[in-house]
Amino acid sequence: AQSVTQPDIHITVSEGASLELRCNYSYGATPYLFWYVQSPGQGLQLLLKYFSGDTLVQGIKGFEAEFKRSQSSFNLRKPSVHWSDAAEYFCAVGALAGGTSYGKLTFGQGTILTVHP
Amino acid sequence: GAVVSQHPSWVICKSGTSVKIECRSLDFQATTMFWYRQFPKQSLMLMATSNEGSKATYEQGVEKDKFLINHASLTLSTLTVTSAHPEDSSFYICSASQGPLFYEQYFGPGTRLTVT
Repeated sequence: AQSVTQPDIHITVSEGASLELRCNYSYGATPYLFWYVQSPGQGLQLLLKYFSGDTLVQGIKGFEAEFKRSQSSFNLRKPSVHWSDAAEYFCAVGALAGGTSYGKLTFGQGTILTVHP
Repeated sequence: GAVVSQHPSWVICKSGTSVKIECRSLDFQATTMFWYRQFPKQSLMLMATSNEGSKATYEQGVEKDKFLINHASLTLSTLTVTSAHPEDSSFYICSASQGPLFYEQYFGPGTRLTVT
């Protein structure tokens, strides 16, 4: 079965600083990887996804993520953080390899981002 | 973009009573809806998958008689927590998909359930 680990429960950065949120996954086949953001009172919003091709994926709100198969990682980055980026971020892996996990998402525990002015 | 709503956004109920949570896709038809449960500081855990007009498929360890899911139309799915107990207190999130695969999921804002 697949699993996702987000090592950082809480990260604090200053506005304008760069950001990297870590995500490591475990999956036996080619992973389908996602990053979602959850703001209070709102549903999860898809930031970006990786299915295949270019390992550097561009998303909304200036975010990007890089898939590194050798490290089983899919870290999320942003060059300059805005105060409005404060939220909780979830990495997820999807299974298409069949079995009971087919078509389902497995989420990491989330990383809470705080942005200082 | 596709919008999914949930109602109510929060609910408090007494132990032993039942609570119904609605999940609606507002501007698209959802062939598949997913129900998740999220504990504080923990990940979203998939509870069940429902397809319109058929019985829901529950994940291992989820009591189907306790968490009744109905997906009677292409825009509405309901989750009923029957005979709720304090340990059922949690944040319940639904998502809706226009297709059979997960990558088309759109998430609702969630429902906070507190059982006293």
